[in-house]
Amino acid sequence: GAVVSQHPSWVICKSGTSVKIECRSLDFQATTMFWYRQFPKQSLMLMATSNEGSKATYEQGVEKDKFLINHASLTLSTLTVTSAHPEDSSFYICSARGLAATGELFFGEGSRLTVL
Amino acid sequence: GQQVMQIPQYQHVQEGEDFTTYCNSSTTLSNIQWYKQRPGGHPVFLIQLVKSGEVKKQKRLTFQFGEAKKNSSLHITATQTTDVGTYFCSLPSTGNQFYFGTGTSLTVIP
Repeated sequence: GAVVSQHPSWVICKSGTSVKIECRSLDFQATTMFWYRQFPKQSLMLMATSNEGSKATYEQGVEKDKFLINHASLTLSTLTVTSAHPEDSSFYICSARGLAATGELFFGEGSRLTVL
Repeated sequence: GQQVMQIPQYQHVQEGEDFTTYCNSSTTLSNIQWYKQRPGGHPVFLIQLVKSGEVKKQKRLTFQFGEAKKNSSLHITATQTTDVGTYFCSLPSTGNQFYFGTGTSLTVIP
């Protein structure tokens, strides 16, 4: 199946700093990628849909100035958590839709962010 | 965003027992997908159901799509410790986003 790589796997930062997470589709081109946030033992909450060459579409309640998404190429989407605070600590995971007829999602390994 | 209820939230079974999780939507679905997330891992696609009343099998896993296309189930026969994880249903939206159900966490006791 298709491979999606996410980096970094985990990051610890101080409150007030910004953190960038990269999501790459390694063996296929993804015009659309999705960013999810997952709290411990909870479901995946869709944050935004990243569209190559255009602005991301954010879900209701997600601050677009807080979570900056850039999808500059067909294989790379980035999520930047700006001025991070402890409440932003979470597991962030990206996904891309595969090319198969099922349109299944392929997920990155996830990035665990801890804000001190 | 949209979220769909899955039941049960947690399930502990003895190895060899069966397990079922249900996904219920208030709206008619064009299709539904199922994913499995192992502890500490990322979700992995299991299957997609499209047709009303559709039943698909993958070894010990049986997936069903309701006749009204509003609910779906995943049944595991004779669970094994490798089945441990959280099972999510995923629903596409009209805007091409993918929303996930609340998930059912399965623990298999050896």
